Amino acid sequence: VQLVESGGGVVQPGRPLRLSCAASGFVFSSYGMHWVRQAPGKGLEWVAVIWYDGTSKYYADSVKGRFTISRDNSKDTLYLQMNSLRIEDTAVYYCGRVGIRNHWHLANWGRGTLVSVSS
Amino acid sequence: HSALTQPASVSGSPGQSITISCAGSSSDIGGYNYVSWYQQYPGAAPRLIIYDFTNRPSGISDRFSGSKSGNTASLTISGLQAEDEADYHCCSYTSSSALVFGGGTRLTVL
Repeated sequence: VQLVESGGGVVQPGRPLRLSCAASGFVFSSYGMHWVRQAPGKGLEWVAVIWYDGTSKYYADSVKGRFTISRDNSKDTLYLQMNSLRIEDTAVYYCGRVGIRNHWHLANWGRGTLVSVSS
Repeated sequence: HSALTQPASVSGSPGQSITISCAGSSSDIGGYNYVSWYQQYPGAAPRLIIYDFTNRPSGISDRFSGSKSGNTASLTISGLQAEDEADYHCCSYTSSSALVFGGGTRLTVL
């Protein structure tokens, strides 16, 4: 299992940014996927989850209405569209694959991509 | 949903056992069987070490074990080794169809 995030960088408050997570080594279309973030020096914060077929999506209250999780199973890629970015969204963003039994743990993680929101 | 509560730090000597607690509520830990634990070294991604309260993924040492009592989950590491020095994060499913993490615990091996 390999997960590789990309798309991070420095962005001004209020601007959008889209993260990608390229998956390989497993049947991507069979597994749900999560995004989790970690602000510098802080703990982990769950961001969103999407079902294997994209039919269900759930979000943390802190990003609801601003972030959108999506996937393209034909490209084995997960996305996180982030709009109206705030300084407090600065973090390393990790994508993770769910386990075999259920959606509610991250069995595999990518290395993360850093998003820095600054004016 | 409020974050789960973990001690900021714990420590132990090689060979000892330590336990890290993770306190929640009936809306998360106490209400479901979906608690997981992650180990994270500085500058690295987290790694799953316990899921569904007590299960270990393939390749994780049996020195790691999980348990639950009421609204509190616990991670026990027995036979402490220098390589166990890391941050440990608990995580639970919640009644909002979401996940919530604890603040993380820094384990120091003396």
